[in-house]
Amino acid sequence: DTGVSQNPRHKITKRGQNVTFRCDPISEHNRLYWYRQTLGQGPEFLTYFQNEAQLEKSRLLSDRFSAERPKGSFSTLEIQRTEQGDSAMYLCASSSSYSEQFFGPGTRLTVL
Amino acid sequence: DQQVKQNSPSLSVQEGRISILNCDYTNSMFDYFLWYKKYPAEGPTFLISISSIKDKNEDGRFTVFLNKSAKHLSLHIVPSQPGDSAVYFCAATSGNTPLVFGKGTRLSVIA
Repeated sequence: DTGVSQNPRHKITKRGQNVTFRCDPISEHNRLYWYRQTLGQGPEFLTYFQNEAQLEKSRLLSDRFSAERPKGSFSTLEIQRTEQGDSAMYLCASSSSYSEQFFGPGTRLTVL
Repeated sequence: DQQVKQNSPSLSVQEGRISILNCDYTNSMFDYFLWYKKYPAEGPTFLISISSIKDKNEDGRFTVFLNKSAKHLSLHIVPSQPGDSAVYFCAATSGNTPLVFGKGTRLSVIA
């Protein structure tokens, strides 16, 4: 297993469009996390799953954001009606323990 | 309200010398602390961690110290190498809560 993978690596979209990102975790990991990172900041938690159950959502996750993890494998993060403020690096991480998380390379979103 | 603070945005160190990166936290419920290293255009890479029941953890050139009474931890890298140049993030968690990150410190190791 080569680690956590994310697709696409880069996404440029126009304001108002919908975008979807995919994360494939390390295969034996049951926990999957989404974070967002903007310039000069550390990663900020968005939401996480244990298997297919979404256990927690940050207040950063507005109604325009939705995440799924069907069958407890890969996960998708969708942003509807994108806004310029959504421009950021979206990071996915997975873990099998309660603390040590392994991150993917991220998807950089630019909203024009 | 930042629960994890890295007050030095950047640090420059000569190759071979010690690098000391600092981190403060405010939430006394945090019981596990981690350091991640991040290169440009990559995701953070796990470096080293420490549980609140310990005050030191060492892994090769990297040592993390935890001072619970001061709510302070530090990462020591010795000797520093040019390949250590990256942004270092301190993170904390309690129980099953997601990680809370600091803003990062950019380390530059000068040859």
